[in-house]
Amino acid sequence: EVQLVQSGAEVKKPGESLKISCKGSGYSFTSYWIGWVRQMPGKGLEWMGIIYPGDSDTRYSPSFQGQVTISADKSISTAYLQWSSLKASDTAMYYCARRGDQHFDYWGQGTLVTVSS
Amino acid sequence: SYELTQPLSVSVALGQTARITCGGNNIGSKNVHWYQQKPGQAPVLVIYRDSNRPSGIPERFSGSNSGNTATLTISRAQAGDEADYYCQVWDSSTPWVFGGGTKLTVL
Repeated sequence: EVQLVQSGAEVKKPGESLKISCKGSGYSFTSYWIGWVRQMPGKGLEWMGIIYPGDSDTRYSPSFQGQVTISADKSISTAYLQWSSLKASDTAMYYCARRGDQHFDYWGQGTLVTVSS
Repeated sequence: SYELTQPLSVSVALGQTARITCGGNNIGSKNVHWYQQKPGQAPVLVIYRDSNRPSGIPERFSGSNSGNTATLTISRAQAGDEADYYCQVWDSSTPWVFGGGTKLTVL
């Protein structure tokens, strides 16, 4: 069974750094791209970026380029999304999802990030 | 960048057919995918490549795509179908584009 399990909810202060994770299982982790999707409170889905764990090839949405860093450790089948300096506007639910051709076929359960002073 | 337009809300009577549209410039030339998101849950893929259902998705869910409009059709709507629905396409300018989402209410 394909599963993507994300790390737990985080509460941070503005300016702090953060790295959240997404662990894949039940399939060949290095053979599928993993994307990250943001959902701000009460809003829709926004694609942030995507990584191919096999060779760490990474693409970013122009809206998120330079704002976040996506990485992966294929030895532990885990992808990451990180911020170096959080802002209040980063408060959102973040989902990882496996790419199935031009869509996302499996999704993680989401990680809620709250940034507040 | 490519844009997708969805109605904010759609209502359907219990047991009737709901249709949720997704508009985009010549969207008929692209593959459209649909996700269902229930409150407090992650999105779930319900239709891919215009009209294909993943394993486990009821036959009541179907899709079509032509011209400037793609449509998700939910037949014999049930209370459990109440959710937000998002369309998505892959575009060379911004690879994964989502529509703004449609809230389906089953009356």
